[in-house]
Amino acid sequence: QKEVEQDPGPLSVPEGAIVSLNCTYSNSAFQYFMWYRQYSRKGPELLMYTYSSGNKEDGRFTAQVDKSSKYISLFIRDSQPSDSATYLCAMKMDSWGKLQFGAGTQVVVTP
Amino acid sequence: DVKVTQSSRYLVKRTGEKVFLECVQDMDHENMFWYRQDPGLGLRLIYFSYDVKMKEKGDIPEGYSVSREKKERFSLILESASTNQTSMYLCASSLSGSLANYGYTFGSGTRLTVV
Repeated sequence: QKEVEQDPGPLSVPEGAIVSLNCTYSNSAFQYFMWYRQYSRKGPELLMYTYSSGNKEDGRFTAQVDKSSKYISLFIRDSQPSDSATYLCAMKMDSWGKLQFGAGTQVVVTP
Repeated sequence: DVKVTQSSRYLVKRTGEKVFLECVQDMDHENMFWYRQDPGLGLRLIYFSYDVKMKEKGDIPEGYSVSREKKERFSLILESASTNQTSMYLCASSLSGSLANYGYTFGSGTRLTVV
């Protein structure tokens, strides 16, 4: 079993819809959680990071963490074609800062 | 704007060649990482370094080595390139310890094709 599970998609939604992305993890020691966005043929870029259970909002993006269920989510409101990308979840594994990544979910927002 | 710069975007090399991939960061980060990314397999850690001249093996170090002579530069070396090393290679850097909670900064990647 992988430490981090993420549905690879693709997830296709119409413009303006809410995009919902999820990751589950098995290691209860993970405490810091991140979401990265990766456009085609580019490196991933950090979207959001969060620590505690609950919600964190940044513009159209909301990150949600449920540590009791070992489940994290990313919601994108009012999705735009420019949101079409692969979204990767990541979790801090150790005190040095090494991250464990999900496989990434490809999102396609159609006009 | 902080940056991680990878020397080449695209490379084509022949089987058996020794290949050097260079990565430079300008953020004074302690940690540096090399990943490869393949469809369906996600990001796989090859090597990482948490200080100058320090290196640790990741999940798939076979066929690779690294060098970190200066804090800002982390090189990945393919000792004898093989076709199964055709991949997207991503370099990343981060602060260490509790400051690593803010994640990595990635470079733009090097797409390596071995023929």
